[in-house]
Amino acid sequence: SYELTQPPSVSVSPGQTARITCSGDALPKQYAYWYQQKPGQAPVLVIYKDSERPSGIPERFSGSSSGTTVTLTISGVQAEDEADYYCQSADSSGTHWVFGGGTKLTVL
Amino acid sequence: EVQLVESGGGLVQPGRSLRLSCAASGFTFDDYAMHWVRQAPGKGLEWVSGISWNSGSIGYADSVKGRFTISRDNAKNSLYLQMNSLRAEDTALYYCAKSFYGDYVPPFDYWGQGTLVTVSS
Repeated sequence: SYELTQPPSVSVSPGQTARITCSGDALPKQYAYWYQQKPGQAPVLVIYKDSERPSGIPERFSGSSSGTTVTLTISGVQAEDEADYYCQSADSSGTHWVFGGGTKLTVL
Repeated sequence: EVQLVESGGGLVQPGRSLRLSCAASGFTFDDYAMHWVRQAPGKGLEWVSGISWNSGSIGYADSVKGRFTISRDNAKNSLYLQMNSLRAEDTALYYCAKSFYGDYVPPFDYWGQGTLVTVSS
């Protein structure tokens, strides 16, 4: 079955830039989406179609794509950004939706 | 305000069935696809199933195909998940999620708070 690979954890100091990657063979052909999940809360969409930002999401959140890897970038990280981040995309058939294993962002 | 409220979770024995419901409000329900996503305790997100606005397109994760059935009642603004032949590995918090579009594609722009399903003897 199709898999999306994320690093288990990323740590940054406040004000620095955090980059979270997600790799998958079908990513050159399928859009990626990113969700933020804080403890005890439901996920929140932060990026869609690789790089689009929903209304209400701070500009410090951005997304990019290059080949089989997509990247969520958080510029000027704030303490409130500490959370788990999940990428999502489709397999090559475009009918099954898969999440990456998640990355825990720690703000030091 | 968009609201998604799941119900129907609980403790169930392996091999038994359970039906989850999701009551939607605050948006035109029959314009959008809907999904179920689950999260096992301490684990990541797993897409379970999705259904388009008119039930014309339906999909399931391989892990539940043949055991779970998704459906919707647009007149009642409700989404359902019939879960049969439950296994211990189905234990999870089950989220109802609204799609951004009418087709059953991501992104999922609104999520409920989830209903917990525990499969254990």
